[in-house]
Amino acid sequence: DTEVTQTPKHLVMGMTNKKSLKCEQHMGHRAMYWYKQKAKKPPELMFVYSYEKLSINESVPSRFSPECPNSSLLNLHLHALQPEDSALYLCASSQPLAGWSGANVLTFGAGSRLTVL
Amino acid sequence: DQQVKQNSPSLSVQEGRISILNCDYTNSMFDYFLWYKKYPAEGPTFLISISSIKDKNEDGRFTVFLNKSAKHLSLHIVPSQPGDSAVYFCAASGNQFYFGTGTSLTVIP
Repeated sequence: DTEVTQTPKHLVMGMTNKKSLKCEQHMGHRAMYWYKQKAKKPPELMFVYSYEKLSINESVPSRFSPECPNSSLLNLHLHALQPEDSALYLCASSQPLAGWSGANVLTFGAGSRLTVL
Repeated sequence: DQQVKQNSPSLSVQEGRISILNCDYTNSMFDYFLWYKKYPAEGPTFLISISSIKDKNEDGRFTVFLNKSAKHLSLHIVPSQPGDSAVYFCAASGNQFYFGTGTSLTVIP
């Protein structure tokens, strides 16, 4: 299995809603990532989990709350979002960068397209 | 602070010709470089990579060249096909993955 699976593919929510994005991988990767991407812009790093512990939080607003229940799953909980949060949210996985001496490819999921009304 | 840059936002190439996409980086500690291709509304897909101990890596129609002294890498696509039309991102591996701003390639039939 060489895939990162994200659900849902599309999500429309109001500014008062609570929703979650889910991500799953079975490649044995021990680092998992959330990125936000707007059209024709590079992926913007939000969070990194390494060995199920949050290792990087790129000053993301608290209305985004990540969770890593185990080494295969990653969630992003959404609450009180703003219309400017509408974007493609990408989950990715790799081996942890620290101490990894081999080739290390970041594998992306297909993304969850979020629209905040 | 953009550590990886792609200075050409767009590129148009005739089908069958060579496409050359360029990428520059500033951090000499980067040791692994990757190219991704992205279609609209999809996640980026990995294309090809190169380790800093090499200066060239080839995979079918795709070749990546690395010039460490110039801190420059390039992706060559030969021959270019209409299905190659997409946004291409280069990335460098350090304490995280750093992405360039992307080049939108259009291959004209």
